[in-house]
Amino acid sequence: ILNVEQSPQSLHVQEGDSTNFTCSFPSSNFYALHWYRWETAKSPEALFVMTLNGDEKKKGRISATLNTKEGYSYLYIKGSQPEDSATYLCAFEPGSARQLTFGSGTQLTVLP
Amino acid sequence: GAVVSQHPSWVICKSGTSVKIECRSLDFQATTMFWYRQFPKQSLMLMATSNEGSKATYEQGVEKDKFLINHASLTLSTLTVTSAHPEDSSFYICSARSGTGLNEQFFGPGTRLTVL
Repeated sequence: ILNVEQSPQSLHVQEGDSTNFTCSFPSSNFYALHWYRWETAKSPEALFVMTLNGDEKKKGRISATLNTKEGYSYLYIKGSQPEDSATYLCAFEPGSARQLTFGSGTQLTVLP
Repeated sequence: GAVVSQHPSWVICKSGTSVKIECRSLDFQATTMFWYRQFPKQSLMLMATSNEGSKATYEQGVEKDKFLINHASLTLSTLTVTSAHPEDSSFYICSARSGTGLNEQFFGPGTRLTVL
């Protein structure tokens, strides 16, 4: 069983604050780390697929970093807005099986 | 692009009946589709992987006779919960992968199943 953990479980921030959360995953047999954003009643939306150690990806105010040697990834949101409120999921993809193991997510609420 | 639809979005059924959930890739061909289940306050748990034209591969602990999966075309996979019981009540969600690029999986919006 692969262990993928996300912290914190939930987070409330004020509009304009920057925030970050963590995903930890196995450091062996790494193929890719996926980040998704999931708003209530909608489909999870793919944010990033990260494959290289040290990689940093950015999409607007959201960015992510990857450390495959120590098995963690950070997701950052700069200047949070109420529309950023969602659950952010990470998923580990091992090289031996092209399937995703998900963390339980970080639920972000941005207060106006 | 990369839109996946899922139908129905919610269903309520009586114990003992069967329920079919459809997952469609609308603007791409999905060589592989995945079915997940989510229990309250838990992560998405992979139930099975289906490749077009072949039998689905089920994860350990998932009864293949209970959860029938058919991937008849490159745009459609179905999950049938047979003889549903209250313990099958859950949130079921599918995803599809085109087989090209970075192996992104594109998700449907999910189906909430309630078995009375």
